Amino acid sequence: AQSVTQLDSHVSVSEGTPVLLRCNYSSSYSPSLFWYVQHPNKGLQLLLKYTSAATLVKGINGFEAEFKKSETSFHLTKPSAHMSDAAEYFCVVPQGSSNTGKLIFGQGTTLQVKP
Amino acid sequence: DAMVIQNPRYQVTQFGKPVTLSCSQTLNHNVMYWYQQKSSQAPKLLFHYYDKDFNNEADTPDNFQSRRPNTSFCFLDIRSPGLGDAAMYLCATSREQGFGQFFGPGTRLTVL
Repeated sequence: AQSVTQLDSHVSVSEGTPVLLRCNYSSSYSPSLFWYVQHPNKGLQLLLKYTSAATLVKGINGFEAEFKKSETSFHLTKPSAHMSDAAEYFCVVPQGSSNTGKLIFGQGTTLQVKP
Repeated sequence: DAMVIQNPRYQVTQFGKPVTLSCSQTLNHNVMYWYQQKSSQAPKLLFHYYDKDFNNEADTPDNFQSRRPNTSFCFLDIRSPGLGDAAMYLCATSREQGFGQFFGPGTRLTVL
């Protein structure tokens, strides 16, 4: 069965410093993986997705994530945090085979950006 | 721009009074999903439509129903809202099952 674990429920960084949001996955096969962001009282926005092509995936707003099979990780990074990055971030994996359409969400990581 | 639209953005209802939430999409996607998200939690899938085929999650209460009259629209009906149903309700679409999902802005439901 697929699962994702976000290792930090809350991350606080200063504006202009790097961001690292950690996600480990468990899957019996090479999965697709997604990162979504949710700003307060808003829907979820797809940041980036990994679909077994390049292991380093670039997303929107300067975010990127690297799929590391040996570490079963898919950590989200950004070189320099902006105040507008403050939000909830979810690491997500499709459930079962790719045909089910269901998503398994991590617990979420709240990113706080201090001025 | 192609998008997922939810109306209303905020809905207040009374305990036990039926309420309907609306979702529409201009993406022409085959799959539409309804999620419930409570405070500080991940979204929880209630059900989804693949075209006209309805797929209910096993733990979705009978109080929650859905309709999809055409490709563009999908409705969430809560027959008798309880205080525990207060949440953000998110609609999402996907071109095909297994692809990334596009989410609407959500409807915040308050039950008095």
